[in-house]
Amino acid sequence: EVQLVETGGGLIQPGGSLRLSCAASGFTVSSNHMTWVRQAPGKGLEWVSVIYSGGSIYYADSVKGRFTISRDNSKNMLYLQMNSLRAEDTAVYYCARDNSVAGIDHWGQGTLVTVST
Amino acid sequence: QLVLTQSPSASASLGASVKLTCTLSSGHSSYAIAWHQQQPEKGPRYLMNLNSDGSHSKGDGIPDRFSGSSSGAERYLTISSLQSEDEADYYCQTWGTGIRVFGGGTKLTVL
Repeated sequence: EVQLVETGGGLIQPGGSLRLSCAASGFTVSSNHMTWVRQAPGKGLEWVSVIYSGGSIYYADSVKGRFTISRDNSKNMLYLQMNSLRAEDTAVYYCARDNSVAGIDHWGQGTLVTVST
Repeated sequence: QLVLTQSPSASASLGASVKLTCTLSSGHSSYAIAWHQQQPEKGPRYLMNLNSDGSHSKGDGIPDRFSGSSSGAERYLTISSLQSEDEADYYCQTWGTGIRVFGGGTKLTVL
């Protein structure tokens, strides 16, 4: 069974840093594309970043230069390093398995990041 | 620019059917999409992927009441025999090289 479990969210001050983790089971992270998606309170889904199975990496313009996606193949983990956080980064962050044929086909339960003083 | 457009809201009666629409931007009518459901206070759930020819593949455990179809740049999600638990936000999603795009979502109310 495919499972994705995000951890690492919390309350952080503007300008601070946070690293989100996503533990995957039931499949191999490095053999799949993996995506981070976020959802601000009361808003829709917003794509954040994708890492392809081949290693190519892409970011939404809103986070480019501040966020870094990575994976640890030995641990079957996905990460999102978030720096220079802003109030508008406040959201639930979801990791997802991303299939270039089917689109996103599995979601984690999400972790809440709140950027506030 | 790759954009998906959805109506903000829809409603239908318990036991009836409803058809939600997702429209691909000009020049992108051949793109496949995925449909996702988000029930209140829950994370998203993958429903199906849907190709331009209307062929679709559903996720694990998705009831037969959910089906997809396509016409030109329009992608549809039809839910039949509506149940109270179908009241949710529905998002379409597509992808290209280096980009993933979500529609704004449709809030479905079951009357």
